[in-house]
Amino acid sequence: DAGVIQSPRHEVTEMGQEVTLRCKPISGHNSLFWYRQTMMRGLELLIYFNNNVPIDDSGMPEDRFSAKMPNASFSTLKIQPSEPRDSAVYFCASSRGADRLNEQFFGPGTRLTVL
Amino acid sequence: GESVGLHLPTLSVQEGDNSIINCAYSNSASDYFIWYKQESGKGPQFIIDIRSNMDKRQGQRVTVLLNKTVKHLSLQIAATQPGDSAVYFCAENDQGGKLIFGQGTELSVKP
Repeated sequence: DAGVIQSPRHEVTEMGQEVTLRCKPISGHNSLFWYRQTMMRGLELLIYFNNNVPIDDSGMPEDRFSAKMPNASFSTLKIQPSEPRDSAVYFCASSRGADRLNEQFFGPGTRLTVL
Repeated sequence: GESVGLHLPTLSVQEGDNSIINCAYSNSASDYFIWYKQESGKGPQFIIDIRSNMDKRQGQRVTVLLNKTVKHLSLQIAATQPGDSAVYFCAENDQGGKLIFGQGTELSVKP
């Protein structure tokens, strides 16, 4: 079992550039979650999808952030334009079914640095 | 400028001792709780969960206790090992489908 796959693992970019983070959930899982982790704010849910449909995006910080899930095996989180305060580790997680009591499996994360 | 980060609570234990990590949750309507372990450079990893109709649940070397009266959760690790060194997060599900994570506690195991 490959687990949740995220790419890239590290991204360094300059302020104003577009950043795209990618996630492949575990096969057969139909809920997908994007989280951001910083020392100041801890682990925060940004958005989650069920069956490729966004269910709750209230955690998305502002319009510069957008997320898509075009199919069951792929999701992207895009930041445009990026700012230094977006520097964080971004995690993708997936779970089986729509039951909120199902275990979420996390990917290894993408460490984003915006200069 | 340089940002100031939070300093996580730290628990330091001797190898072989038992560890107890505590967590206070915020929402009395939360009915599902999970403990996650996060090692350096990795994503959080599920350890154990408990539903609000229970007050204790045991796994392999781990026990979670839930006190709904005071909204308190604890994780007990028996015979702590160096491989248990990590940051431990509690998370609550408030019936809205989202997990809300606590700030985390760093466990350091001394050999």
